[in-house]
Amino acid sequence: GQQLNQSPQSMFIQEGEDVSMNCTSSSIFNTWLWYKQDPGEGPVLLIALYKAGELTSNGRLTAQFGITRKDSFLNISASIPSDVGIYFCAGQLVGADGLTFGKGTHLIIQP
Amino acid sequence: EPEVTQTPSHQVTQMGQEVILRCVPISNHLYFYWYRQILGQKVEFLVSFYNNEISEKSEIFDDQFSVERPDGSNFTLKIRSTKLEDSAMYFCASKPQGAVEKLFFGSGTQLSVL
Repeated sequence: GQQLNQSPQSMFIQEGEDVSMNCTSSSIFNTWLWYKQDPGEGPVLLIALYKAGELTSNGRLTAQFGITRKDSFLNISASIPSDVGIYFCAGQLVGADGLTFGKGTHLIIQP
Repeated sequence: EPEVTQTPSHQVTQMGQEVILRCVPISNHLYFYWYRQILGQKVEFLVSFYNNEISEKSEIFDDQFSVERPDGSNFTLKIRSTKLEDSAMYFCASKPQGAVEKLFFGSGTQLSVL
């Protein structure tokens, strides 16, 4: 099946620091999405991207859809304790219904 | 705010037993999904369901799995003869007509096969 390579696997940062994570693939995706998952909960959508080169912000979060349509990054500025969780990228292929998820980036914030 | 509801939150079963995981999607949604997440791993697509039939399924969704929308509100996932490797968190999701950003996930059912 399709693979999304997400990195880093985990991040240990200080509160207030900026965070950056990314996903790459050998396949072209029609749509890129970024989700956050808290313990015991389902993924919650943060940002959806539909066009190559698109840069979208949601508060302190910024994500971009790569020009080649094979990659995306997510930045979080000025991290706060509630940003702790697992962040997943997900892609949707042209004509597909299901999403392909990356393996996640576990964000841990030290006070 | 409307939400996708899943029951039970935890299910423990013996290997070889049948299990049914239940979901109540958001009421005006038309597209329904099951995903699973093995502990510590990524979320994996299982199946999508629209207009009372499966519209797409992954290679994980073999003959042991089936889905049903028995009435106007419930959406179920049945595993006929569970295996140890079926142990995972199973997420139901639903969306209305339109783009994928309207997809909402439930909180999941943790299935443990002993």
